Amino acid sequence: DAGVIQSPRHEVTEMGQEVTLRCKPISGHDYLFWYRQTMMRGLELLIYFNNNVPIDDSGMPEDRFSAKMPNASFSTLKIQPSEPRDSAVYFCASTPWVAGPKPVIPQYFGPGTRLLVL
Amino acid sequence: AQTVTQSQPEMSVQEAETVTLSCTYDTSESDYYLFWYKQPPSRQMILVIRQEAYKQQNATENRFSVNFQKAAKSFSLKISDSQLGDAAMYFCAYRSSTGTASKLTFGTGTRLQVTL
Repeated sequence: DAGVIQSPRHEVTEMGQEVTLRCKPISGHDYLFWYRQTMMRGLELLIYFNNNVPIDDSGMPEDRFSAKMPNASFSTLKIQPSEPRDSAVYFCASTPWVAGPKPVIPQYFGPGTRLLVL
Repeated sequence: AQTVTQSQPEMSVQEAETVTLSCTYDTSESDYYLFWYKQPPSRQMILVIRQEAYKQQNATENRFSVNFQKAAKSFSLKISDSQLGDAAMYFCAYRSSTGTASKLTFGTGTRLQVTL
């Protein structure tokens, strides 16, 4: 399996521009997570989906951020308009649903998108 | 809400030696999962080891092992026979057992340097 795929790997944009980050989860994984990593706040969950449905978006910082999962193999995180404080590494992660008692299921991370907003 | 604390911002170990990274957490839950992730300079998050809270036996993965002390809410990572490739940021993470999947709560990380 190719693992979680994210694009682009690096993005440099100017303040006010729209930014779209993309993620392809591991095939067969039912859950998809978007995390953001900054020096100030560390790694924090933005939103996660189960079977393409957003379950918890309480970590989305503000209305400028939106995320969609139109199908099981694709998700986007959009920032419009972008601001310098959005500069961070954005990770996508996925995990499968596994039957059975108390399965310990790790989340598998993509390589991240490094976003710089000037 | 759960919190994860890594009190060592940086650690250093000589090649072939053993190092222990500390992690403590705070939770009111009795059942949960704990993880250690490694983040090398490439920034890829790589799972190192996992532990179920209901298991008393400490998890091991080759040179990596944990010391899980549930009563003390401590989850330290021991790296034996350290190698240059072990140099990275290490993050401790907590996950509730509620539901099949839920968010990871991460500590602030420990930067491990491996010297010759």
